[in-house]
Amino acid sequence: GENVEQHPSTLSVQEGDSAVIKCTYSDSASNYFPWYKQELGKRPQLIIDIRSNVGEKKDQRIAVTLNKTAKHFSLHITETQPEDSAVYFCATFNQAGTALIFGKGTTLSVSS
Amino acid sequence: EAQVTQNPRYLITVTGKKLTVTCSQNMNHEYMSWYRQDPGLGLRQIYYSMNVEVTDKGDVPEGYKVSRKEKRNFPLILESPSPNQTSLYFCASSWTGGEQFFGPGTRLTVL
Repeated sequence: GENVEQHPSTLSVQEGDSAVIKCTYSDSASNYFPWYKQELGKRPQLIIDIRSNVGEKKDQRIAVTLNKTAKHFSLHITETQPEDSAVYFCATFNQAGTALIFGKGTTLSVSS
Repeated sequence: EAQVTQNPRYLITVTGKKLTVTCSQNMNHEYMSWYRQDPGLGLRQIYYSMNVEVTDKGDVPEGYKVSRKEKRNFPLILESPSPNQTSLYFCASSWTGGEQFFGPGTRLTVL
């Protein structure tokens, strides 16, 4: 079945630096790649997603890039702020399209 | 307000005592799902439902049951809870293939 590997598991940056989180997936038929942010004690919330017909998508300080050939996608956060501190999850659908398969998460800490 | 609600938010129970966690959404979504979240393991799907009366197992269904009698509700049933079911549970709903909206979570402790 589909497998999603996410790296790194923890990431510490200084305020203003950039942060990059990478995910690889196994099913070449995957076509939807969301990223969720989960603040401490809160529910996961979608921050950005990309479909396989585009290679990059940006929303202010957040961008996602997709390399379908290599089967990996990445989250880029520029000019990080303390409020970016959270756990970030990548995901993609399984082959049947019935379930989102999540990576194990990356804990991002932004220190001021 | 569009939302997914879960109840209870916190529950401490004992081994073997049947419990139900309710989930309700008001967005008319066809798809609903239950996940459990454990440290270091991310979010793992327990069961999902593509529509009313259509449910199927996810990755970790053992010890759980679900039902989908109405489009808006998708309860999670633990008929005989065990300590290894201590976890944080999230319900989610979406249009098929779209963004999943998560409920606030239910923190369950089984003693």
